[in-house]
Amino acid sequence: DTGVSQDPRHKITKRGQNVTFRCDPISEHNRLYWYRQTLGQGPEFLTYFQNEAQLEKSRLLSDRFSAERPKGSFSTLEIQRTEQGDSAMYLCASSLGGLDLNTGELFFGEGSRLTVL
Amino acid sequence: QKEVEQNSGPLSVPEGAIASLNCTYSDRGSQSFFWYRQYSGKSPELIMFIYSNGDKEDGRFTAQLNKASQYVSLLIRDSQPSDSATYLCAVNVNFNKFYFGSGTKLNVKP
Repeated sequence: DTGVSQDPRHKITKRGQNVTFRCDPISEHNRLYWYRQTLGQGPEFLTYFQNEAQLEKSRLLSDRFSAERPKGSFSTLEIQRTEQGDSAMYLCASSLGGLDLNTGELFFGEGSRLTVL
Repeated sequence: QKEVEQNSGPLSVPEGAIASLNCTYSDRGSQSFFWYRQYSGKSPELIMFIYSNGDKEDGRFTAQLNKASQYVSLLIRDSQPSDSATYLCAVNVNFNKFYFGSGTKLNVKP
C-alpha cells in the first residue's frame, strides 16, 4: 500500500514527557501537512512543508511543538513537555502541491492518537 | 471569525431522502473547495472537490459553489445509513493551506 502512514497509532504518556510522531507521505507528493483534531472539531492546521522546507507554522502552535522533514520525504512532529491539553489526534496528510486546481487533494494518514495523563 | 463555518448538527434525515450540508468561508482568495467524510475514529476521506461556480455531480453527491456568496454545499441524494458520518468542508487558500470547518454530523435513519 502506498498511502500515507503514521506511527505510532496510539501513544499514552505522562505530562511533561516528550513525544515524537512520524509520517511517511505518498512518495511522489511534495507537500506534507500536520493537523490536530480534538473530539467534535475539524482538523486544525499546525504546519506544512513543501519538500524539505517548512513554509508555514500556525500562530496558535506553542514553541513546544516542532516539525521536520529533513530530506523531503518522511516528517516528524515532536511535542516537548506534554500537557493534558495536547491530547488529540495528530493527522498527517500529503498532496501534490502546485498551481493546478486539480492537484489539491489531501490524502490523510490514519492519525496518531495522543493521550497525556 | 473562523475561516470555514459549518453547522455542527446533527442533521437527521430518513433513508432515501436528500441530505443538504452547508458551509461558508471567509477568505475570498480561496481557490478550491472540498468535502471530506469522516467516520468516528477514522481519518477524513475525500468525497469530491469543486473550484468553479455552479454544480458538480458525482453519483449520489452534488457539490454547489457560489463564490459571490462564499458558500459551498453538498447534497446527498437517496441517503443511506452508511452515509451517517461527519462531513467536513475544507477550502484551499492560495494553493497552500487547507482550512477545515468543524464538521456537520449526519444521521441517516433506516
